[in-house]
Amino acid sequence: EAGVAQSPRYKIIEKRQSVAFWCNPISGHATLYWYQQILGQGPKLLIQFQNNGVVDDSQLPKDRFSAERLKGVDSTLKIQPAKLEDSAVYLCASSLVWLAGVIEQFFGPGTRLTVL
Amino acid sequence: DAKTTQPTSMDCAEGRAANLPCNHSTISGNEYVYWYRQIHSQGPQYIIHGLKNNETNEMASLIITEDRKSSTLILPHATLRDTAVYYCIRGYSTLTFGKGTMLLVSP
Repeated sequence: EAGVAQSPRYKIIEKRQSVAFWCNPISGHATLYWYQQILGQGPKLLIQFQNNGVVDDSQLPKDRFSAERLKGVDSTLKIQPAKLEDSAVYLCASSLVWLAGVIEQFFGPGTRLTVL
Repeated sequence: DAKTTQPTSMDCAEGRAANLPCNHSTISGNEYVYWYRQIHSQGPQYIIHGLKNNETNEMASLIITEDRKSSTLILPHATLRDTAVYYCIRGYSTLTFGKGTMLLVSP
């Protein structure tokens, strides 16, 4: 079974530039998550999709971050414009529709973003 | 707010059992206890979860106290490949990661 795919794996940009990350979840997984992981910390949820609808985006900095999952499959996370503090690993995860609250998320390898 | 408390780091000798504690004293009745781990430069990996009863799978065992205020993840025979950050998470529909415990398994 193929895992969660992410690209690119690494990205270096200058502040105020724009950047986009792509994620393809495991086939059949209806739920997709984007996390931000700053060095030394645990992942922080940015946004959660159920099919192509947003379930939770309460921690997404909406003035500069946007995400979409148009056909309920793959997803794109964009930062525009980037700030120095956006330097982090951006992780995508997917899971089956959860029943009774149980969540097993499958994570991709992440995209390491460096903002100079 | 991770809502759990874990030691920052732990050491374990290869072949010995690793016992990782977690405190979740304010856990709600419908929240599960999850354990994930993250090996360096990889995404987190699910290990195990439980609600009230102790659980075991091919990776680990999870012991939850009767009052559900704390739990212990047990890796019965730790190997070098178990060196990772281990996250204890309490949650229902979302997962909130803390800083976890850095487990170093040494020869």
